[in-house]
Amino acid sequence: QKEVEQDPGPLSVPEGAIVSLNCTYSNSAFQYFMWYRQYSRKGPELLMYTYSSGNKEDGRFTAQVDKSSKYISLFIRDSQPSDSATYLCAIPVRPGGGADGLTFGKGTHLIIQP
Amino acid sequence: DTAVSQTPKYLVTQMGNDKSIKCEQNLGHDTMYWYKQDSKKFLKIMFSYNNKELIINETVPNRFSPKSPDKAHLNLHINSLELGDSAVYFCASSLGTGHQPQHFGDGTRLSIL
Repeated sequence: QKEVEQDPGPLSVPEGAIVSLNCTYSNSAFQYFMWYRQYSRKGPELLMYTYSSGNKEDGRFTAQVDKSSKYISLFIRDSQPSDSATYLCAIPVRPGGGADGLTFGKGTHLIIQP
Repeated sequence: DTAVSQTPKYLVTQMGNDKSIKCEQNLGHDTMYWYKQDSKKFLKIMFSYNNKELIINETVPNRFSPKSPDKAHLNLHINSLELGDSAVYFCASSLGTGHQPQHFGDGTRLSIL
């Protein structure tokens, strides 16, 4: 089983809809979880950074971690065409590691239809 | 001001050649990384450096040699390029060790003919 699994999509929704993006991870020892957004021909851009379980909100974005089921989610409210991008979940390479880098999911390609 | 910048943005070269990619960050970070994104868009860590010292080398062929002249720069030299090296290479940086957020450059698109 891969460290982090993510449905690649594409996921197409109408403008204004609530979007739910999800990942599962395999090792319950992980404590830090990240969501990145990547536009075409650009580098990943950090959207949300969460520690342990619970919710974190930033504007229209909410990140949710359920450690009991090893499930992480990103919700986008009032979705806009400018939200069309690939969304990647990420965890550290090792739960207790230092500057080890990140393990990414394969990314979900999101399309918001005007 | 660009936080993490990579040069060149595009690199087209022939199999067997040697090439280098440069990365610079102006964020005051002391940890830098190289990632490879393949044709299926899967992003995978290659190397990480902290204070100019190699921290991790994730089963990368020894044809790839990173070099960090100072904390703000991390270059990637690739010898004897192969067709499978065609990918987008991303540089990233973070503050300190631990699980700090990473900031990425916009990538170098390497195409091997």
